Parts: sequence; C-alpha cells; structure tokens
Amino acid sequence: TQLLEQSPQFLSIQEGENLTVYCNSSSVFSSLQWYRQEPGEGPVLLVTVVTGGEVKKLKRLTFQFGDARKDSSLHITAAQTGDTGLYLCAGADNYGQNFVFGPGTRLSVLP
Amino acid sequence: DAGITQSPRHKVTETGTPVTLRCHQTENHRYMYWYRQDPGHGLRLIHYSYGVKDTDKGEVSDGYSVSRSKTEDFLLTLESATSSQTSVYFCAIKGLAGNTGELFFGEGSRLTVL
Repeated sequence: TQLLEQSPQFLSIQEGENLTVYCNSSSVFSSLQWYRQEPGEGPVLLVTVVTGGEVKKLKRLTFQFGDARKDSSLHITAAQTGDTGLYLCAGADNYGQNFVFGPGTRLSVLP
Repeated sequence: DAGITQSPRHKVTETGTPVTLRCHQTENHRYMYWYRQDPGHGLRLIHYSYGVKDTDKGEVSDGYSVSRSKTEDFLLTLESATSSQTSVYFCAIKGLAGNTGELFFGEGSRLTVL
C-alpha cells in the first residue's frame, strides 16, 4: 500500500512570513499533485509534478518533486490570508488511474 | 467548472438504514471516483469506475457498493449505514491531461449517521 505523510499537520503564521510544507513517502509515484481545499468545498488542483527534481512556480508558490520521486515540498513566499486552507498532496500510480492522498497540512495565515 | 454535481449535499440518517449518494457529471469523463474525508486521514478512496459497469474497490470499500449504469452517473450506496460511515463524501472525475490527469471534485456530501 502506498502511503503519503505530510508535515506539519497544522501551521499558523503571520501574513508576510514564508513557509514550507512537506509530503513524504517510501513509495515512488509516477506524478505528484498538490491540491488546496477551502471549508465546504472540494479540493482544487494547484500543480502536477512529474519529473524527479522538477521545480514549478505558481506566483508565490514553489513546488519541488524529489529526485527519487518519493517526496515533494511546497514553499509559499510572503503568505497572504487568502492562502489559508488545507493543502493536500496526492501521488498517482504508474497508470495515472488512482491517486493516494496525504492527510493534509492545515494552514492558517493571520492578518 | 468540471460539471460535477453531488446529491444530496447533506443527509442525516439512522443506523441500519440504506443511503445512496449520487454523482452526476456533464462532460463524459471515463474515470469517476468516490472518496471519503475524515479528520487526520485526508481523502481515502472507496470505489472507482473506469467505464459503464466497470468498477473496482479502493482502500476503504467495506460497507459500500457502487453502480455506474450510465457514463454520467456514479452512485455510492451504503446498504446499512453505521456511525463509522459518518463522513464527508467527495466524488471526483479524472481530467484528460495525458497519463497524469488531474482530479476535479464535487462539492461534497456530508453524511451523519445517528
């Protein structure tokens, strides 16, 4: 069974601070995705990383896929209150058919 | 907007009663999924479908069954609901971005079993 762990589980920071959250596994994934979920809504995809060592940037968010394709990180620069939410990582199996989710990091950005 | 509708959005029921949740999509996607979300567990796959009448079990399938008689509808049934099935249920479809795909989620169905 493929498992994903995320850390930290909870994070509360002030607006303007930087932060990094992590997604780790002992398994190799064909791709890894990051989603953000707001209360009362379904998760929404932020990014997909496919190649080991890949780095993708989405405005103030930087995503990195580990060289061995087992782990990933999400770095947010100068966090804003709108970044508040639950951040989930998900790993895809070799066929891209099934997705295993981590338990999530709940981020709270305070004004 | 991926055209996914879940119904009902909220339901309260009693232990032992049957419950059916419906997921409807308007974009003819082949893959559909049912997940449950519980604190500390993230999203866990219950069942998924890769076509009409083609379904398979996920990691937490016990106590659940599914049916897909039409491309657009994927039904999740709890034959006899238990309190441990109190959860938020999400339906998802897989987009067509090559082999990686991406999941588009519905807004969720909150089920409370008393």
